[in-house]
Amino acid sequence: DIQMTQSPSSLSASVGDRVTITCRASQGISNYLAWFQQKPGKAPKSLIYGASRLHSGVPSKFSGSGSGTDFTLTISSLQPEDFATYYCQQYNSFPFTFGPGTIVDIK
Amino acid sequence: QVQLVQSGAEVKEPGASVKVSCKASGYTFTSNYIHWMRQAPGQGLEWMGRIIPGGADTNYAQKFQGRVTLTSDTSTSTVYMEVSSLRSDDTAVFYCTRGGIVPWVSWGQGTLVTVSS
Repeated sequence: DIQMTQSPSSLSASVGDRVTITCRASQGISNYLAWFQQKPGKAPKSLIYGASRLHSGVPSKFSGSGSGTDFTLTISSLQPEDFATYYCQQYNSFPFTFGPGTIVDIK
Repeated sequence: QVQLVQSGAEVKEPGASVKVSCKASGYTFTSNYIHWMRQAPGQGLEWMGRIIPGGADTNYAQKFQGRVTLTSDTSTSTVYMEVSSLRSDDTAVFYCTRGGIVPWVSWGQGTLVTVSS
């Protein structure tokens, strides 16, 4: 199975900060990488697919980059509604696997 | 618009089975795989498997192979996920989501399954 790691596991940030989360795959996954945002008690919300493509309706403050094994999710200017847990997922090969998540909370 | 609506919460005893449904609308039901994810309390997300509605193709994570069965009913545009031999550590929220060229666009609202004696 492909192992996904994320760093940091948590971060504290202020409104307006630029935030970057890193995701690494244990082997190459081309660009079959997705990012999700999840708030407590809610279903995940899809942000990015194909490593860098924003889902419809996702604000442009979110951006993704990377290919192969190393990927990043950037939030350009953190807003109160962005405090949540973020997961990456590879869907290059079965079983599709998720990173352990990054908690973004308020400083 | 595309919607996935899941069945309600369940409470089951250890050793029992549970069948969760995911009813799709707003798109051609047979055109995309439906995937299932599991999230234990306070934990991350796990991919369980996928099914192409109306077809014979299913894939399961090895962890769930033999204990999870995915089926579909094209007459009602519904996918079912059955877990047998439930254990306490199966307590989780289960989500269905649609795959495709643009994957994970739509998610069900989640179904909490509690396994407790």
